[in-house]
Amino acid sequence: DVKVTQSSRYLVKRTGEKVFLECVQDMDHENMFWYRQDPGLGLRLIYFSYDVKMKEKGDIPEGYSVSREKKERFSLILESASTNQTSMYLCASSSAAVDNSPLHFGNGTRLTVT
Amino acid sequence: GDSVTQMEGPVTLSEEAFLTINCTYTATGYPSLFWYVQYPGEGLQLLLKATKADDKGSNKGFEATYRKETTSFHLEKGSVQVSDSAVYFCALRTNYGGSQGNLIFGKGTKLSVKP
Repeated sequence: DVKVTQSSRYLVKRTGEKVFLECVQDMDHENMFWYRQDPGLGLRLIYFSYDVKMKEKGDIPEGYSVSREKKERFSLILESASTNQTSMYLCASSSAAVDNSPLHFGNGTRLTVT
Repeated sequence: GDSVTQMEGPVTLSEEAFLTINCTYTATGYPSLFWYVQYPGEGLQLLLKATKADDKGSNKGFEATYRKETTSFHLEKGSVQVSDSAVYFCALRTNYGGSQGNLIFGKGTKLSVKP
């Protein structure tokens, strides 16, 4: 089974801190994604990557950046955390080699910015 | 742009009741359609999918049929169980442009099944 692991289930950070959310997948998937999930808004795409060192902005990239130095790892960075970034963050991966490959999700990181 | 609209929740049913969660979409071309489920405390997982018109996806007693004429992909189950309590997301993937497999999700529908 594909495993997508997010390093933290819960994080509490202060306003202005730099925050790193880490995600690792073990299936050699080319595509990786970061979403945030908020009540009433569903999932919104922040950034995605389809190869090492490649990245594309999603629908809500402002205030975030990403890093993909290795194929299995995709990091989300909050340069200066703000309270409106309090949310559930979900990482996902998928294969580019398989038509209609499903997204495989991690269990999420619930970030609270105080 | 492309979008997914699904019925607002929460939906509360008794065990063994019939379930329908409506989902309609707007898309250019011929998207692939998906239902994902999120159990409490977990990430999303694929429930079923359909890749072309009139396809029926099915899994764990759930079904959904890709209806191009009504741009719909409604989720149904004939007899729900308490263990089906979760949030259900409808999603589409467009098959053009540089989206590289990105999905567009609906806002989710929370289902609670009472014994």
